[in-house]
Amino acid sequence: AQTVTQSQPEMSVQEAETVTLSCTYDTSESNYYLFWYKQPPSRQMILVIRQEAYKQQNATENRFSVNFQKAAKSFSLKISDSQLGDTAMYFCAFWFQGGSEKLVFGKGTKLTVNP
Amino acid sequence: GAVVSQHPSWVICKSGTSVKIECRSLDFQATTMFWYRQFPKQSLMLMATSNEGSKATYEQGVEKDKFLINHASLTLSTLTVTSAHPEDSSFYICSARELDLHTDTQYFGPGTRLTVL
Repeated sequence: AQTVTQSQPEMSVQEAETVTLSCTYDTSESNYYLFWYKQPPSRQMILVIRQEAYKQQNATENRFSVNFQKAAKSFSLKISDSQLGDTAMYFCAFWFQGGSEKLVFGKGTKLTVNP
Repeated sequence: GAVVSQHPSWVICKSGTSVKIECRSLDFQATTMFWYRQFPKQSLMLMATSNEGSKATYEQGVEKDKFLINHASLTLSTLTVTSAHPEDSSFYICSARELDLHTDTQYFGPGTRLTVL
């Protein structure tokens, strides 16, 4: 069974600084997708970034980028120039085609951006 | 981008009554929708997977007779909490899966807060 581990329950960062959120996963599949979702206090789940496992290039979306290490099964999220609006719960998630179609979520990391 | 709506956003009901929550994909067709439950400060817990035109697949431990799911069209799925009790109070979130050639992504609704008195 696939598992996703986020080892940092809480993190904080100063506004304008950079922070990295960790995520590791366990799978025997070779073709899969990884996601980072953000859940702000409004509780709306928002897709931040996604990565296809077959792509070696790390995904980037504006201030958000990932460090995808397939061999190490690691998928960290880097937030540059942190903004107050980045304060949220961040969930790492795993999905693969041909399985049960379920997204497997980590337990989340609560990120607080301080002014 | 893909938008998913949920209605209502907040509902309060009396114990023993039933509550229906709607989940709609507004600008895409969703052959598969998912229903989650989220307790405070916890991750999302998948309750069931709903495929259009067929019976929902429930996760282990989820009572299918209590949480009725209907996916009658490619843009609408409903979750009915039957004979609600205070322990059913929670935040319920739906998601819809958008398929394209290169990726498979779930987009989430804004959630429904259910309070059972």
